[in-house]
Amino acid sequence: EAQVTQNPRYLITVTGKKLTVTCSQNMNHEYMSWYRQDPGLGLRQIYYSMNVEVTDKGDVPEGYKVSRKEKRNFPLILESPSPNQTSLYFCASSPRTSGITTQYFGPGTRLLVL
Amino acid sequence: AQSVTQLDSQVPVFEEAPVELRCNYSSSVSVYLFWYVQYPNQGLQLLLKYLSGSTLVKGINGFEAEFNKSQTSFHLRKPSVHISDTAEYFCAVSTSGGSNYKLTFGKGTLLTVNP
Repeated sequence: EAQVTQNPRYLITVTGKKLTVTCSQNMNHEYMSWYRQDPGLGLRQIYYSMNVEVTDKGDVPEGYKVSRKEKRNFPLILESPSPNQTSLYFCASSPRTSGITTQYFGPGTRLLVL
Repeated sequence: AQSVTQLDSQVPVFEEAPVELRCNYSSSVSVYLFWYVQYPNQGLQLLLKYLSGSTLVKGINGFEAEFNKSQTSFHLRKPSVHISDTAEYFCAVSTSGGSNYKLTFGKGTLLTVNP
């Protein structure tokens, strides 16, 4: 089954404790992206990657890092999480041929930073 | 820079009534436009998209939207809603052509369908 998976789905952590949220897709897509969703703010793009080793900042990259060493994986790294990073995070992927126009979203990761 | 404004944060309607969810965008170049739906406790699902061609776009679940370039709008409509349409709806924009990978979302409209 074609899908985007995220792990963990739920995470509670404390301020300053490094964490990684994994994202994996099995569709051989070139493009992957991370978004955060906050009440009243909609979804905001954090980082995106056009292909292996090619990444760029979205609208809210501060406090986040990403890497794209393999085509299928695009982990989101919070090196020193803070409470304002408490949010619902979505990963998405799409093929290069359609770019942003056909994105497949993961199920989401709900993060609480105490 | 591109931006999206969803004019209503909440829209309550009765079942079988028509509904319109309003979306305006801002961009200095040509755009692609999207509507996504998020059912309670679920991820995002693409409802419909405008890339080019006919300005009236039909999507899933009986929804449609009309691209109006002069008014920079992309309003979503459904002639008769069901309880199951209760969800949050997001309008989104990206600039068209080239290798654009930035997608900007609106803040969402919560549609509540009451019996």
